[in-house]
Amino acid sequence: AQSVTQLDSQVPVFEEAPVELRCNYSSSVSVYLFWYVQYPNQGLQLLLKYLSGSTLVKGINGFEAEFNKSQTSFHLRKPSVHISDTAEYFCASNNNAGNMLTFGGGTRLMVKP
Amino acid sequence: ETGVTQSPTHLIKTRGQQVTLRCSSQSGHNTVSWYQQALGQGPQFIFQYYREEENGRGNFPPRFSGLQFPNYSSELNVNALELDDSALYLCASSLTSGSQETQYFGPGTRLLVL
Repeated sequence: AQSVTQLDSQVPVFEEAPVELRCNYSSSVSVYLFWYVQYPNQGLQLLLKYLSGSTLVKGINGFEAEFNKSQTSFHLRKPSVHISDTAEYFCASNNNAGNMLTFGGGTRLMVKP
Repeated sequence: ETGVTQSPTHLIKTRGQQVTLRCSSQSGHNTVSWYQQALGQGPQFIFQYYREEENGRGNFPPRFSGLQFPNYSSELNVNALELDDSALYLCASSLTSGSQETQYFGPGTRLLVL
């Protein structure tokens, strides 16, 4: 069974500072990885996804993530955060059958002025 | 804006009652998945429907059931509600069923069971 672990439940950071949100996955088969963002009282919005090819994936709102097979990680990064980036971020993987997203527990990014 | 809508936005029920939650997928999307998100946790997969047939199920009891209709709408039904069913219920539609497909989420229905 696949699993996704987000190592930090909360990440406080000052505005314009860089941030990294960590995600580790476990899967014995090919894995497809996603990062979603959830703003308060809203559903989930896709930030980026890794399917194959280049290990560095660029997404919306200036976010990027790097797939590292040897470390089974898919960490999310942004070089300079804004107050508006304050939200809950979820890492997820999709199984080979393609019919089930497995989510991590989420990381709350809190951007302070 | 994902084009996926859900109704109602909020709902309060009492233990033992039954509830139906509704979702309208993006036009052309033949796959819909439902997730339960308890407070402070990540979403948990309930089941997926592909072309009106159940296409995978998570670790949820049979009192959680669903339907998908030809008009891109779907339902999640929960019988014999329990207090632990209180959660945000999310539906997500995708163009088709496949591990590389992006799932587009609705805003969710927040269910409170008293």
